[in-house]
Amino acid sequence: SQTIHQWPATLVQPVGSPLSLECTVEGTSNPNLYWYRQAAGRGLQLLFYSVGIGQISSEVPQNLSASRPQDRQFILSSKKLLLSDSGFYLCAWSVGSGELFFGEGSRLTVL
Amino acid sequence: RKEVEQDPGPFNVPEGATVAFNCTYSNSASQSFFWYRQDCRKEPKLLMSVYSSGNEDGRFTAQLNRASQYISLLIRDSKLSDSATYLCVVKVQNFVFGPGTRLSVLP
Repeated sequence: SQTIHQWPATLVQPVGSPLSLECTVEGTSNPNLYWYRQAAGRGLQLLFYSVGIGQISSEVPQNLSASRPQDRQFILSSKKLLLSDSGFYLCAWSVGSGELFFGEGSRLTVL
Repeated sequence: RKEVEQDPGPFNVPEGATVAFNCTYSNSASQSFFWYRQDCRKEPKLLMSVYSSGNEDGRFTAQLNRASQYISLLIRDSKLSDSATYLCVVKVQNFVFGPGTRLSVLP
């Protein structure tokens, strides 16, 4: 069966520090991969999606970047965090026209 | 107009009540439709896909009206464990999430 792992689960970072969130999917090949952010009390905002290795599409201009170095690995990064980057970051995968499945999320607080 | 809109909520209902959630979407090219539930501080989890003919899973019934661009979710005999935020999701090229409707089932 397919599983998705995302880490770290929680992190507190100072403004201006770098960020790296990692996500891996097991049990499937060539998944579509996604990074979403959910600010406190808000809906889900799509940040990036990827249909294959090295292929990244960005939905909104921001202080973040994404990379897909391997088929089932998706990384979210920032060189310098802003206060507004705080939120709940969710990695997700889908295959074909199927449903979307989420990792357990990474809760980021920028101080 | 937002791509996916839902009842603003919150809904506070007693155990055993029937509750209905409504959702509308703006893009007529939307291909797939889903309901997710999200517990507080957790990731969204798929509740059910929504098919044109309507579908039922136990106490949950989903309906789709493509002509009206409207999706619904009905929960019968609500349980305390149904308390969560319910997200309407529409897929065109990517998945678009509604803002969610919060449900609290009260004892």
